[in-house]
Order: sequence, then C-alpha cells, then structure tokens
Amino acid sequence: GAVVSQHPSRVICKSGTSVKIECRSLDFQATTMFWYRQFPKQSLMLMATSNEGSKATYEQGVEKDKFLINHASLTLSTLTVTSAHPEDSSFYICSAKGRRAYEQYFGPGTRLTVT
Amino acid sequence: TQLLEQSPQFLSIQEGENLTVYCNSSSVFSSLQWYRQEPGEGPVLLVTVVTGGEVKKLKRLTFQFGDARKDSSLHITAAQPGDTGLYLCAGTYNFNKFYFGSGTKLNVKP
Repeated sequence: GAVVSQHPSRVICKSGTSVKIECRSLDFQATTMFWYRQFPKQSLMLMATSNEGSKATYEQGVEKDKFLINHASLTLSTLTVTSAHPEDSSFYICSAKGRRAYEQYFGPGTRLTVT
Repeated sequence: TQLLEQSPQFLSIQEGENLTVYCNSSSVFSSLQWYRQEPGEGPVLLVTVVTGGEVKKLKRLTFQFGDARKDSSLHITAAQPGDTGLYLCAGTYNFNKFYFGSGTKLNVKP
C-alpha cells in the first residue's frame, strides 16, 4: 500500500513553454500532498503544500504564479511550471500524506530540463 | 539555514563496516522520519519515530530518537553495497509540514 506515482518521469521543454506534472496516490486517498524541488546532490526543498479542494500554501520565495498547483481530487495533484526557464530545470518530487498524520510517501520524481 | 543538520555529509566505507549517521536540531519535533533515496528516484520511508528515547530496528539498521526529541541517529551494522544511497532525516512539528535534513551520502564499496 501507499503507492504514489508521478507523470511524466522525464520531460524536456523549450524556454517559455509550460509543463504539467501529475502526482497520484494509487491506493489511498490523500487530502494533503506536498511538492518538493531537489537540486543535484542536495536535500529536498519544500515548494508548497497542496490541500484537496483549497488553494495551495506556498513556501517563502516560491512564486505561486509560476508554479501553479491544483489538487482537484483526493488522489491527484498537479504542478504546472509556467513560462519555464533554464533555471527551472530540476528534479521535482511530490509526496502524499498517509493515513497516519506523521508519514508521507513519495513519488518517483520528475526530471525537468528546460532548453 | 537548515533546521535539521546531518553529519557526516559524505561517508565512504568498505563492505562489512559499521557506521552511524546523525541528525541534529535545536528544535523539538513531534516525530522524525528517516528516508533513503537512490539517484533519480524519490525517497523511500525507512522508519518513523515519535517517542523520546525510542529505538527501532529494521534488520541491520537501528534508529534512535533522542530523549528530548531534538535529534536522532541511524546506525548500520555490517554495511553492504545495497545500502549505498542518500539518507535523509525529516522532522515535523504539527504534521502539516516536514523539514528535511541536509542529507548524508553513503557509499559502500564491495
């Protein structure tokens, strides 16, 4: 149990275009999902907390108009990187909060490369 | 500023050796988790500790939560090449947000 998927696993896009990343909890309902960004050889940086049916809560320094988050159902959250630039290239990982409040389960990540 | 500091940052050891990774903070956490992450993949949850002084064992891995719930350690006995990866600790105050440590990159050589 507690499986989280992400799609796509890798995406290459041109500068100025938008990219959507999906995060799904496959065998449980997740009222809360988190979006993280990870730079090479570094730890995870929380970008935003996504709650089903309400607006996402963004961390300080994260542009909400650039990183659009939608949590339309209990099993799906999406992150859209709008007007992508090369500096947005990174590894984006989502996680879903499990049945026990203090646990979260991670997706396999999405490698975004902006050329 | 990192809320959770891990040490060491890098560790390269021979198969069969023992090692300990530390996760320290000046803050008190409600619970703390340990994860292992392999390149190009998401972190995988290893354990959650919630009680001060708690010790949990997972085969050759032993996890301890400090009495004051500010720190934790991960001890691996007789390390194997399959233990290679990035080890991350993460703490939470109110279960609404998780703060990740700086990470420890472990390489176990055969």
